[in-house]
Amino acid sequence: GIQVEQSPPDLILQEGANSTLRCNFSDSVNNLQWFHQNPWGQLINLFYIPSGTKQNGRLSATTVATERYSLLYISSSQTTDSGVYFCAVGVEYGNKLVFGAGTILRVKS
Amino acid sequence: KAGVTQTPRYLIKTRGQQVTLSCSPISGHRSVSWYQQTPGQGLQFLFEYFSETQRNKGNFPGRFSGRQFSNSRSEMNVSTLELGDSALYLCASSLVSGPYEQYFGPGTRLTVT
Repeated sequence: GIQVEQSPPDLILQEGANSTLRCNFSDSVNNLQWFHQNPWGQLINLFYIPSGTKQNGRLSATTVATERYSLLYISSSQTTDSGVYFCAVGVEYGNKLVFGAGTILRVKS
Repeated sequence: KAGVTQTPRYLIKTRGQQVTLSCSPISGHRSVSWYQQTPGQGLQFLFEYFSETQRNKGNFPGRFSGRQFSNSRSEMNVSTLELGDSALYLCASSLVSGPYEQYFGPGTRLTVT
């Protein structure tokens, strides 16, 4: 099956710093989503981005489907950005998502 | 618009028992998917239901089953619970069977003792 690799696995930032999270996948995908998991376990939708570039406030994402990777940019990080960021891809008809292992982000004040 | 709701939020069961978890999707959404999250295996797809039919199934034993009702609400059942079934179970809702953007509920944390 498809492999989804996220890097880095852990990231510690000072408040105000910028960061880039990467998601590589091993096959063509028809769906790609970025999520932020809060401390209570809920997955919060950040982007639905099977291709192209999107921006939402301090966050933006780019997916280059032909090269099988996606990037999540966080600018001017805040302590509330801390948590686990997941990339998930879909490869079959239907809504099955395959998740990466996540990037644990810690933002220090 | 209300989000995805899951009940119960926390559950403690004994090995060998069975458990039923419930998920109500976003109003108007007709696809419901279930995922299991454990520290060792991460987030894994269990199954997807659309129009009361199972559309896709992950690599889980037959002890894990589900169903969807005509109002799109879904339940998943785990029989003969094992210690390894302790996990966060997440339900996701989507407008139709995809690929479409999915929205997750808060999860049910199951502990098996």
